[in-house]
Amino acid sequence: DAGVTQSPTHLIKTRGQQVTLRCSPKSGHDTVSWYQQALGQGPQFIFQYYEEEERQRGNFPDRFSGHQFPNYSSELNVNALLLGDSALYLCASSQTGVVAKNIQYFGAGTRLSVL
Amino acid sequence: GDSVTQMEGPVTLSEEAFLTINCTYTATGYPSLFWYVQYPGEGLQLLLKATKADDKGSNKGFEATYRKETTSFHLEKGSVQVSDSAVYFCALSDKQGAQKLVFGQGTRLTINP
Repeated sequence: DAGVTQSPTHLIKTRGQQVTLRCSPKSGHDTVSWYQQALGQGPQFIFQYYEEEERQRGNFPDRFSGHQFPNYSSELNVNALLLGDSALYLCASSQTGVVAKNIQYFGAGTRLSVL
Repeated sequence: GDSVTQMEGPVTLSEEAFLTINCTYTATGYPSLFWYVQYPGEGLQLLLKATKADDKGSNKGFEATYRKETTSFHLEKGSVQVSDSAVYFCALSDKQGAQKLVFGQGTRLTINP
């Protein structure tokens, strides 16, 4: 059973560019959450997608946007990259509607470096 | 808003030593509490969880008890191994809505043989 998979593993961009990160959830999961983890810090919640809609959003600017597809996979888009966007971006999947199973499972992350 | 505070790291111990990593939280309502572990170059793995007061989560020799009166969820292990070296994150989620996770800053643990 494949877990949460993210691509690419590493990415280098320059300031002002745009980037798209991808996530495939664990089999049977319908909800995808995205987190940003700066070096030496805990992950910070960006947003969550369920039924192809953004269900909740953290304290991130509109430059951060996302999408969920009918197969539950998801993309995170960041526009007008800033140096401060350099971080590990983590995707987590879970199953909504079953409280006992609403545990978030994480992928290995995408390391984004903005130069 | 909700928040989690972990003890400052890094923590360095010898193999077979007793481990405690402190975690306290601030939340409205009655959150679920988690410990996640991150090994070098990997994502976060759920280590254990507790969903209500006085619950004890346990896994791989690690334990943590949900203490509502002290708003704490300290991680303990009686005898650590070199393979336990990693970064440990305490987290909470409320039981309503999206149940987003709120993390502490992490504690880096190094176990020397």
